[in-house]
Amino acid sequence: DQQVKQNSPSLSVQEGRISILNCDYTNSMFDYFLWYKKYPAEGPTFLISISSIKDKNEDGRFTVFLNKSAKHLSLHIVPSQPGDSAVYFCAAKSGGSNYKLTFGKGTLLTVNP
Amino acid sequence: NAGVTQTPKFQVLKTGQSMTLQCAQDMNHEYMSWYRQDPGMGLRLIHYSVGAGITDQGEVPNGYNVSRSTTEDFPLRLLSAAPSQTSVYFCASSYDSQNYGYTFGSGTRLTVV
Repeated sequence: DQQVKQNSPSLSVQEGRISILNCDYTNSMFDYFLWYKKYPAEGPTFLISISSIKDKNEDGRFTVFLNKSAKHLSLHIVPSQPGDSAVYFCAAKSGGSNYKLTFGKGTLLTVNP
Repeated sequence: NAGVTQTPKFQVLKTGQSMTLQCAQDMNHEYMSWYRQDPGMGLRLIHYSVGAGITDQGEVPNGYNVSRSTTEDFPLRLLSAAPSQTSVYFCASSYDSQNYGYTFGSGTRLTVV
């Protein structure tokens, strides 16, 4: 049973436009969500996160939106740049001392110049 | 500050051989974990540790052993390698359960023939 789902394996956008990456989850105990970016032959790097007590978090060009009732979150990148081309993983965890991250399968974003 | 260091970067094993994947962090993080990444499967948790002397199983622990004798090191042992263990392995660390990002190593690409 996949608890974190990224239903789009890939996404292609033009440089300067908005990229929207989506993520759905099924476990209602999840209360913290993270996005990671991964380049080939490198480890994932943390990008942005959001707590379930918020519905939006911004960091520069990156904004994450959380819709708890729909169990859905999205990552917006504006404007998109060619250097943003990477695999993006959505991850979730439940609160307290639970350190375990559950990852989605990832979405390959390609930003075309 | 080296972060999370994984060795080796590449390894080829024959079926039935054993080996240890090394992971070390110099950030004094209490939490460490091992993930494997397979095509179309995202990142799956193998084992994790919340501190020296404490380990627990993740989503896919079979065929792997871990120990945590120091805060810095968290080796992953394959007792009898199988082709199904061909994967890219990532080690990650974090300093507390509310950490806003987990630091990943650059990975070990393992091929079992």
